[in-house]
Amino acid sequence: EPEVTQTPSHQVTQMGQEVILRCVPISNHLYFYWYRQILGQKVEFLVSFYNNEISEKSEIFDDQFSVERPDGSNFTLKIRSTKLEDSAMYFCASSVAYGRGYTFGSGTRLTVV
Amino acid sequence: DQQVKQNSPSLSVQEGRISILNCDYTNSMFDYFLWYKKYPAEGPTFLISISSIKDKNEDGRFTVFLNKSAKHLSLHIVPSQPGDSAVYFCAASEENYGGATNKLIFGTGTLLAVQP
Repeated sequence: EPEVTQTPSHQVTQMGQEVILRCVPISNHLYFYWYRQILGQKVEFLVSFYNNEISEKSEIFDDQFSVERPDGSNFTLKIRSTKLEDSAMYFCASSVAYGRGYTFGSGTRLTVV
Repeated sequence: DQQVKQNSPSLSVQEGRISILNCDYTNSMFDYFLWYKKYPAEGPTFLISISSIKDKNEDGRFTVFLNKSAKHLSLHIVPSQPGDSAVYFCAASEENYGGATNKLIFGTGTLLAVQP
């Protein structure tokens, strides 16, 4: 069964540092997403990406966040200057078409200290 | 702004019985609904979905019912098995003509415990 792969599984970083979370979506999927889940809270939408550009972003996705699909296979989320409140599980997802269930990766646990 | 609500944080059911998980929504523009299952330290796993043009969708032991007038959906698991023990999230998306977003709005989840 095809999978969405995320690395690393756990990242600890100092406040103010930049982090890059990496994802390899399923190869024939066209739509890519990042979500996050703060401990004990619900899964929240961050950003969607289609045709090499952001199609929608949430209020959470401010100027400190950026996404990139640098080489046609990887899909990255960069947080420029991390804050304590960025600590969460970050999930990458992809879907083959609009209106279809996503496939989520297993997540990266980001801990900002 | 809780557009998707799961009012039961937890549910305990005996093995072999029916599990019924409930979800309510407020946004009448939602037209596609999904259920995901999540184990600790894993990503959500897609279970079953339903379009707003239907009122029922069945896949094996899982059936989702949609009541649009009540803005309510439910997931039935019959028979429940210990391996079904996990957090279940309801999610919804809105038709987005001309766009390519399809973002999901998640509920807060219900922890299902199936007792052997």
